[in-house]
Amino acid sequence: AQSVTQLDSHVSVSEGTPVLLRCNYSSSYSPSLFWYVQHPNKGLQLLLKYTSAATLVKGINGFEAEFKKSETSFHLTKPSAHMSDAAEYFCVVSGRGTNAGKSTFGDGTTLTVKP
Amino acid sequence: GAGVSQTPSNKVTEKGKYVELRCDPISGHTALYWYRQSLGQGPEFLIYFQGTGAADDSGLPNDRFFAVRPEGSVSTLKIQRTERGDSAVYLCASSHSGTGPYEQYFGPGTRLTVT
Repeated sequence: AQSVTQLDSHVSVSEGTPVLLRCNYSSSYSPSLFWYVQHPNKGLQLLLKYTSAATLVKGINGFEAEFKKSETSFHLTKPSAHMSDAAEYFCVVSGRGTNAGKSTFGDGTTLTVKP
Repeated sequence: GAGVSQTPSNKVTEKGKYVELRCDPISGHTALYWYRQSLGQGPEFLIYFQGTGAADDSGLPNDRFFAVRPEGSVSTLKIQRTERGDSAVYLCASSHSGTGPYEQYFGPGTRLTVT
């Protein structure tokens, strides 16, 4: 069994300030973890993925996430927010091998960036 | 190349009617996924295909929902005796398959409204 909890449904930051979107997961096996972004009226796009090669994962557009097994967390960060970062963000957990097909999404965090 | 496409983009149907939603995956992607996204929630897994066969259909909510992928490419999600609660955006994604984890490429979705 697997589940994802995104701890904040809405996050608001000012342009140029750091972004932190929090995600905790639960999994019966060694998980694969992803962050996807959904801009209004656009499809879901992968930001980054954790594959167990390194605990600190770098993604597109300056985002990164750190896998912390002891805390079962995979928080998404960015040093400096840009107006174009305003979107819905989803944390996703899936299994590996034969369990790789079933992905569980969190309920999403809406990021607002103020000028 | 072309991304994942879904048709129709919008579908309005009356309660009790039958609907079919189509997904054209990226060429060469052997894995295909269907999700349902209700307002304010993350995508909910429905079914996952490896080639022509459904590898995991544990997310289908009941026997009114059925999906096929007869030639291992295009997939159709079929909903019988539609109910108002079926109203949602239905998302399709495709990916490479194997030991993974692989990025899922999402289509724009079909917005289904049951009146």
